[in-house]
Amino acid sequence: GEDVEQSLFLSVREGDSSVINCTYTDSSSTYLYWYKQEPGAGLQLLTYIFSNMDMKQDQRLTVLLNKKDKHLSLRIADTQTGDSAIYFCAESMTGGSYIPTFGRGTSLIVHP
Amino acid sequence: GAVVSQHPSRVICKSGTSVKIECRSLDFQATTMFWYRQFPKQSLMLMATSNEGSKATYEQGVEKDKFLINHASLTLSTLTVTSAHPEDSSFYICSARMGLGNEQFFGPGTRLTVL
Repeated sequence: GEDVEQSLFLSVREGDSSVINCTYTDSSSTYLYWYKQEPGAGLQLLTYIFSNMDMKQDQRLTVLLNKKDKHLSLRIADTQTGDSAIYFCAESMTGGSYIPTFGRGTSLIVHP
Repeated sequence: GAVVSQHPSRVICKSGTSVKIECRSLDFQATTMFWYRQFPKQSLMLMATSNEGSKATYEQGVEKDKFLINHASLTLSTLTVTSAHPEDSSFYICSARMGLGNEQFFGPGTRLTVL
């Protein structure tokens, strides 16, 4: 199986919360990331979390990490149409020179 | 934040020709640059890592003679797709970082279409 797995699609109504989930296989992951990719554009780092943390909050974004289950989630509160994009989960290890391994991305569609 | 540019943003070429894609860090010096390839609905696949002034390190399965990478300065890396074929059509994304452990900044990508 893949090292980092995500569901491919998520559709939410504007104003609702979005939760994007990710699982990874490598227990030695040091950093876990969430990137956002808008159509035809490169990736933008949204947030990251160290593996010794359980939660990180940054304005509308909340990252939860369950290290035991190797599960990472990104919650976007009050989702807006501008949040429509592909969200990539990624992990990296100290021994891997911090080069992220990416999931396939979750396409978030926000409808009015 | 730091800005990485790519040029061109789109290129269409005939089969058998070579195409060069540039990646520039605009406001910082990038000791390391990375080249990724992204297929539709797929993840980013790391093709190679290049450090300024040294040969690129290619990932397994990536043909180094096919995808020539040059990192001649701390602000510029180029990827040349030689003798391009339709199966090389893809979205190529570069990223750059200042040092080990630092954040990678991604370029906007280059859409290559080989006819």
